[in-house]
Amino acid sequence: AQKITQTQPGMFVQEKEAVTLDCTYDTSDPSYGLFWYKQPSSGEMIFLIYQGSYDQQNATEGRYSLNFQKARKSANLVISASQLGDSAMYFCAMRGDGAAGNKLTFGGGTRVLVKP
Amino acid sequence: KAGVTQTPRYLIKTRGQQVTLSCSPISGHRSVSWYQQTPGQGLQFLFEYFSETQRNKGNFPGRFSGRQFSNSRSEMNVSTLELGDSALYLCASSRYRDNTGELFFGEGSRLTVL
Repeated sequence: AQKITQTQPGMFVQEKEAVTLDCTYDTSDPSYGLFWYKQPSSGEMIFLIYQGSYDQQNATEGRYSLNFQKARKSANLVISASQLGDSAMYFCAMRGDGAAGNKLTFGGGTRVLVKP
Repeated sequence: KAGVTQTPRYLIKTRGQQVTLSCSPISGHRSVSWYQQTPGQGLQFLFEYFSETQRNKGNFPGRFSGRQFSNSRSEMNVSTLELGDSALYLCASSRYRDNTGELFFGEGSRLTVL
């Protein structure tokens, strides 16, 4: 079974500062994918970044980067230069191998509030 | 490029009724998966469809069902609604079923059962 743990239920961050959101995972699958999504109050789940377990480089997408430490089973999201529009829930998710297809297992989420 | 489209966005039903939700994936995407999001249980996988076949199913009662059409559009149906079915229902689309690439979600359908 797969498990995603996000230990920070909520956090404040000052505008223009960087913030790191923690995510640890557990799986026995030899290959897997890790995702981060942003969910504003409107409910839409916005894709931010993806990291495959065999990717050599840490994924980056604009202000988002994923700090992937395979041995530690962690996949932390770093948001640089926070903006007020970054205030939202953030979910870490995992997709396993084989028959699991596109089934995602989600963590409980971290609520981020950016202060001006 | 159009994203994942879900309809309706909001709906209110009463206990015992049934509901059908629709999801149109991104053009070229053949996999559609459905999730239920509630404050108590978080995000839970319902099922996945690929090439008109259900490929994977989560731990939900048989009242929850779905289908996929030849154009990859998918519908999910919940029969005999219960108060606990009140939730945000999200669908996600992906091009493939293997462990590559991104999954993109729609804006969700928010169901309230009274």
